[in-house]
Amino acid sequence: EAQVTQNPRYLITVTGKKLTVTCSQNMNHEYMSWYRQDPGLGLRQIYYSMNVEVTDKGDVPEGYKVSRKEKRNFPLILESPSPNQTSLYFCASSFQRGYNEQFFGPGTRLTVL
Amino acid sequence: DAKTTQPNSMESNEEEPVHLPCNHSTISGTDYIHWYRQLPSQGPEYVIHGLTSNVNNRMASLAIAEDRKSSTLILHRATLRDAAVYYCILRGGISNFGNEKLTFGTGTRLTIIP
Repeated sequence: EAQVTQNPRYLITVTGKKLTVTCSQNMNHEYMSWYRQDPGLGLRQIYYSMNVEVTDKGDVPEGYKVSRKEKRNFPLILESPSPNQTSLYFCASSFQRGYNEQFFGPGTRLTVL
Repeated sequence: DAKTTQPNSMESNEEEPVHLPCNHSTISGTDYIHWYRQLPSQGPEYVIHGLTSNVNNRMASLAIAEDRKSSTLILHRATLRDAAVYYCILRGGISNFGNEKLTFGTGTRLTIIP
């Protein structure tokens, strides 16, 4: 089954404790992206990757890191999480080019105390 | 970045057509117009996309203005399961080196009245 998977689905952590949220897709997509969703602010892009070893900032990259060492994986790293990073996070993937649809993962709900 | 503007919320009666508008006055010639929707407690899902011509699929229709500065997502017969937040976004071009930053915004929350 074609899908985007994220782990963990729920995470409660404390300020400053490094964490990684994994994202994996099995559709051989070049493009992958991370979004955060907060009440009243909609869906905002954090980082995206056009292909292996090619990443770029979205609208809200501060406090986050990403890497794209393999085509199927695009982990989101929070080196020193803070409470303002409490949010619902979505990973998405697609083929490149503007006519391709994005497939979204189920989301990761992160709480930073 | 080309941005889109949508109403914050809309209501419609069940089994009636729904027209969801989107303005994108700064659209470039190679931008595709995409629509996604997000059902409660789920990730966004693709609905439809188009470039210049009107498009139909099993979920909806997309009507694109002749100058491409606006578009309308049409749900022909709304059901309670269509209650969701609908996002209109622009996805650039045909180049592998184009700007692929995507802006979803806050979308339109559609409420279906039984």
